[in-house]
Amino acid sequence: DSGVTQTPKHLITATGQRVTLRCSPRSGDLSVYWYQQSLDQGLQFLIQYYNGEERAKGNILERFSAQQFPDLHSELNLSSLELGDSALYFCASSAPQEGSQETQYFGPGTRLLVL
Amino acid sequence: SQQGEEDPQALSIQEGENATMNCSYKTSINNLQWYRQNSGRGLVHLILIRSNEREKHSGRLRVTLDTSKKSSSLLITASRAADTASYFCATRGGGQNFVFGPGTRLSVLP
Repeated sequence: DSGVTQTPKHLITATGQRVTLRCSPRSGDLSVYWYQQSLDQGLQFLIQYYNGEERAKGNILERFSAQQFPDLHSELNLSSLELGDSALYFCASSAPQEGSQETQYFGPGTRLLVL
Repeated sequence: SQQGEEDPQALSIQEGENATMNCSYKTSINNLQWYRQNSGRGLVHLILIRSNEREKHSGRLRVTLDTSKKSSSLLITASRAADTASYFCATRGGGQNFVFGPGTRLSVLP
């Protein structure tokens, strides 16, 4: 158990809908990362938050947005869903370490199926 | 483009044998990390090697790093069926992003 929790575990929805994925980082971790993992694209970095502020952005679509709240939990919002958005969405957290040496602790993921 | 690329894409060995996976990357890095993912589960951190280190051990794992060739290898000795998983290398350069390779699928047959 990594200490990172994600809800829900599974989500089935229809095209055009909007969903919210939730992540609670390990106690004390300030950074939260979101990743999308699909069969054809591998593990793609979406976005990182550090202590409530956006720190880095990766291959995140404009239809997707995220935020990190004062209690450090994070939400990833996916809107106008398309079939191709079906994937595993992972959240990871890390503690601040000097020299970018931190490692990430991954949650169990949310499996999204868009029908 | 992918920063890290694992090789081979898939590897099948017998229990007790050693498994070697390789990772190549393109730009300068601060560190390189290896993660394991059991089917459909979250990734688990295995080992981190800094850019000024050449070799690191952790239990049955041995990681090497050759910054001149921009490559790393992960050796799992005396493999077990429980080692069956996908293995990813992740690199981090001057920016904040972790970049993961496509992974090597390891199957350890009993």
